[in-house]
Order: sequence, then C-alpha cells, then structure tokens
Amino acid sequence: QVQLVQSGAEVKKPGASVRVSCKASGYTFSHFYIHWVRQAPGQGLVWMGRLNPDSGDTNYAQKFQGRVTMTRDTSISTAYMDLSRLRSDDTAIYYCVRDAGYSYGLDWGQGTLVTVSS
Amino acid sequence: DIQMTQSPSSLSASVGDRVTIICRTSQSISTYLNWYQQKPGKAPKILIYAASSLRRGVPSRFSGGGSGTDFTLTISGLQPEDFATYFCQQTFNTPWTFGQGTKVEIK
Repeated sequence: QVQLVQSGAEVKKPGASVRVSCKASGYTFSHFYIHWVRQAPGQGLVWMGRLNPDSGDTNYAQKFQGRVTMTRDTSISTAYMDLSRLRSDDTAIYYCVRDAGYSYGLDWGQGTLVTVSS
Repeated sequence: DIQMTQSPSSLSASVGDRVTIICRTSQSISTYLNWYQQKPGKAPKILIYAASSLRRGVPSRFSGGGSGTDFTLTISGLQPEDFATYFCQQTFNTPWTFGQGTKVEIK
C-alpha cells in the first residue's frame, strides 16, 4: 500500500535551516505531485508548495518564497523540503502529501515536528 | 486564494446523534473538496474526497455532499471514536486552502 514516511523531529535555533525528508513507497514516485503542508501548534493547515517528482518543477506559496526549496531524489523515491532562516513561528508539524488526483484523493505522511527555539 | 468558511467552529453532541458540518468557499470549486478527521497528535485522516466519495475503509456513517461553493459533511450516528476535529480542504487550485476546523465534543 502507499506509504509516505517522514524523517524525525528536529530542534533548530533561529536563523538556522532544516531539511525534512519524505520517503515514498507502494507506487511509482515520479507519477504524482508531492505537496508540503504545515500546522503550527493549535493552528490550521497551511499549504507551502508542491513538487513534480518527474520534472523537479516546483510551485511555492508566496508566504514561503525565498525561504523554501523542494527537491527530490528519484533513485530512492524521496522528496525533501528545506526551510531556511528559521523563526520561532516556523515551529510546526510539517506534512508531505501525495496528490493522487481527483478520483483517488490524497495520502499524507505521518508528520515531522520542527521546533525553533533559542 | 480561495477562502474557506467552515461552521460551526465547535459543537457538542451525544453518541448516536446526527451531526452536520458546513464548508463554504469564496468561489466555485466544482466538487474539488475533501473532508478530514484529525485527533490530537495525529496526521489528518481523509474521510471524503471529491465532495462525496467515501475513502476506502472509512465507515459509511460518514457522508459528504454539495458542489460549487456549499458543502456538507454528515456523521449519521455519532460513535465515541468520532469525537475529533474535522476540516475541509479545496484542491481546485493552488494554493490549497483549508477550513479552520470543527471540534466535535461529547455532550
């Protein structure tokens, strides 16, 4: 079955960068977009951007432009989300999401908690 | 960006009750609307996709409806494990946007 397994929790200082990985299995990685969504403590969900694993093309939310980079390694079916110049309000759970299209829906990773604290 | 307005923000209900949650969008999204359940410390679990399609493995007491700008999630016969937060999401275009959530609590 489809699985998205994310990397473990991270603690970072303000100004640092973080990389979150998302390893896909159970389907052909290059066939479906991977999106990244985050949820700050007690807050709603915010879309960060998406990656086309086949071409490597990306689209980022305006809020994160210039700070976020989404990449992939197709040889190991893994997507990455890098966020730089971290601030305390970047403390959140970060999710990768496979978009399998209108007729199937979405599959979510288990989430990765990133804590930004001095 | 498409704005999502979900109501109510919270509700109290008893086991066995029928519960309806509403999601309205700022522009027409056809049926590109998903519903999720989320419990504390867990990832969102998709219940309904394409406005009314039940995801495999989700109990049939969950149902979704609507199109255009007005959508509903109904739980027919609330069970103890259904007490959670529910939210809607549009995938008509990017950026994806989400409702603020409805917390379903035990009366």
